[in-house]
Amino acid sequence: QKEVEQNSGPLSVPEGAIASLNCTYSDRGSQSFFWYRQYSGKSPELIMSIYSNGDKEDGRFTAQLNKASQYVSLLIRDSQPSDSATYLCAVTGQSNDKLIFGTGTRLQVFP
Amino acid sequence: KAGVTQTPRYLIKTRGQQVTLSCSPISGHRSVSWYQQTPGQGLQFLFEYFSETQRNKGNFPGRFSGRQFSNSRSEMNVSTLELGDSALYLCASSSTGRDTEAFFGQGTRLTVV
Repeated sequence: QKEVEQNSGPLSVPEGAIASLNCTYSDRGSQSFFWYRQYSGKSPELIMSIYSNGDKEDGRFTAQLNKASQYVSLLIRDSQPSDSATYLCAVTGQSNDKLIFGTGTRLQVFP
Repeated sequence: KAGVTQTPRYLIKTRGQQVTLSCSPISGHRSVSWYQQTPGQGLQFLFEYFSETQRNKGNFPGRFSGRQFSNSRSEMNVSTLELGDSALYLCASSSTGRDTEAFFGQGTRLTVV
């Protein structure tokens, strides 16, 4: 079992819709959770961090964490073509010593 | 505030050579982590340095090594290059490296021919 799992996609949504990206992790003791966006040929860019159960909103982005289910998600409201990118979920382990990444979900927003 | 700076941006090396990549973290950040990114494997953790000490290491052969200087700048070295080492090498800077947000540099694109 991979430590951090994401559906590779592509996830295709129309402009203006809500895009929902999901991630599961295997280490029950994980404490910190992050979402990065990576455009083709560029480096990952931090979008959101979340540390406790529930929702955290930042502009059009909402991160959701459920530690009991070992599940973290990212919602993008009013999706724009400029949101088309690969979204990487990252989790720190129980000992908080390193950041483990999923392989990413490719999002395509079409006009 | 300057971001994370990686040099060089692009490198072409031949098999058997060695290469050194450099990473300057965000001012005040003491943790530098290195990752290898390939299309098939995604982002793979290489190692993390904090206050000049390697604090964690991923599952890479000993040909991959690194170090960190007193100003927190870090270098990674790959010896005896193989074709499979062709990848984007990314470094990430964070204040403490634990439970804190990490910010990536632009990366170094290494091509081994």
